[in-house]
Amino acid sequence: DAGVIQSPRHEVTEMGQEVTLRCKPISGHNSLFWYRQTMMRGLELLIYFNNNVPIDDSGMPEDRFSAKMPNASFSTLKIQPSEPRDSAVYFCASSLAPFDDSEQFFGPGTRLTVL
Amino acid sequence: DQQVKQNSPSLSVQEGRISILNCDYTNSMFDYFLWYKKYPAEGPTFLISISSIKDKNEDGRFTVFLNKSAKHLSLHIVPSQPGDSAVYFCAASAKSTQGGSEKLVFGKGTKLTVNP
Repeated sequence: DAGVIQSPRHEVTEMGQEVTLRCKPISGHNSLFWYRQTMMRGLELLIYFNNNVPIDDSGMPEDRFSAKMPNASFSTLKIQPSEPRDSAVYFCASSLAPFDDSEQFFGPGTRLTVL
Repeated sequence: DQQVKQNSPSLSVQEGRISILNCDYTNSMFDYFLWYKKYPAEGPTFLISISSIKDKNEDGRFTVFLNKSAKHLSLHIVPSQPGDSAVYFCAASAKSTQGGSEKLVFGKGTKLTVNP
């Protein structure tokens, strides 16, 4: 298995632009997570899906952030409009089950820089 | 409010010696703890975990110790190897009243450098 796939690996954009991050979870995994890593806050959960349904989006910082999972093999995290403080590494992870002692497998991350 | 704290941003040890990474938590409801390792330009990978019913779990060179009364856990790596150089994240979760577990809460990480 190729593992969790994220694209792009790096994104540089200007403030105000729309940014879309993409994720393909491991086949057969039912849960998908979006995390953000910053120096100040460490690794924090933004949103997670179970069977393509958003379960908990309490970590999404603002309405500028949105996430979708149209099918079991694809998810997007969108920021519109982007701001410099959104600069971070965004990780997607998947697991067989949500948090039920089921190991989460992380993708390589997307490093986002908003100028 | 950091529920999981890794107070040492970095740690440097000599090859062959023991590395001890520490983690403190504040939520007494946490009952499952994990350590993830992260190399540069890669995502975190699961390393070892421990349930609150245990106080020690060992996997090869890696041992995690849990002190529930102190709300403290530690990861011991013996002997340390240069390939262990990475950022180590501590994470915790609590049992959900609806079954399963609550979401993972991560610390900020400790960067370990093992010098040859």
